Amino acid sequence: QSVLTQPPSASGTPGQRVTISCSGSSSNIGSNTVNWYQQLPGTAPKLLIYSNNQRPSGVPDRFSGSKSGTSASLAISGLQSEDEADYYCAAWDDSLNGPWVFGGGTKLTVL
Amino acid sequence: EVQLVESGGGLVQPGGSLRLSCAASGFTFSSYSMNWVRQAPGKGLEWVSYISSSSSTIYYADSVKGRFTISRDNAKNSLYLQMNSLRDEDTAVYYCARDRRRYSSGRDAFDIWGQGTMVTVSS
Repeated sequence: QSVLTQPPSASGTPGQRVTISCSGSSSNIGSNTVNWYQQLPGTAPKLLIYSNNQRPSGVPDRFSGSKSGTSASLAISGLQSEDEADYYCAAWDDSLNGPWVFGGGTKLTVL
Repeated sequence: EVQLVESGGGLVQPGGSLRLSCAASGFTFSSYSMNWVRQAPGKGLEWVSYISSSSSTIYYADSVKGRFTISRDNAKNSLYLQMNSLRDEDTAVYYCARDRRRYSSGRDAFDIWGQGTMVTVSS
């Protein structure tokens, strides 16, 4: 049971916009920023979004992040086949759960 | 090229020990805090441990506290994870990961990841 809650799966067709949610609590998302990681099949995770909505250099602007209260979301617009991957949210947790907690991951399928 | 390369994984019996290493290159290792993150087969990511750039601050997940020890040698550009009293549930791919900003005090994203090293705990 992960501290941060993500839907186990999501799907969309090429060109579509999809969102992945991440729900936490006041001790993690509610008081700290959220980061998102993308893990392509058989590879190491890659930083996709940091500090709620910042993209590292090289990450396409099709990827965007947002946070409100104790929840966060990752949005992918103009879905492409190469976006098929697992996506994880993560946040610092100020309680005994921490310090770092991850969501259980969302497997994105491009139909 | 900025790179992290893990080594030291393998098959170990329950109760045994293993030491993982992570070799850093392409950046000033001594300026960055580092982490270990693991992923059990078919499962999600689990943060394991954090060490600040000067080794002055260290954190562990409750699941490994008292059994694992994180350390670093800035002169050798290397990060380590000594794992003792290993259990079946420690079976996972172990990644080392760098904090995004120099001299961070934690609370920072992990911007560089190694390729991982597999640890299997089984009799």
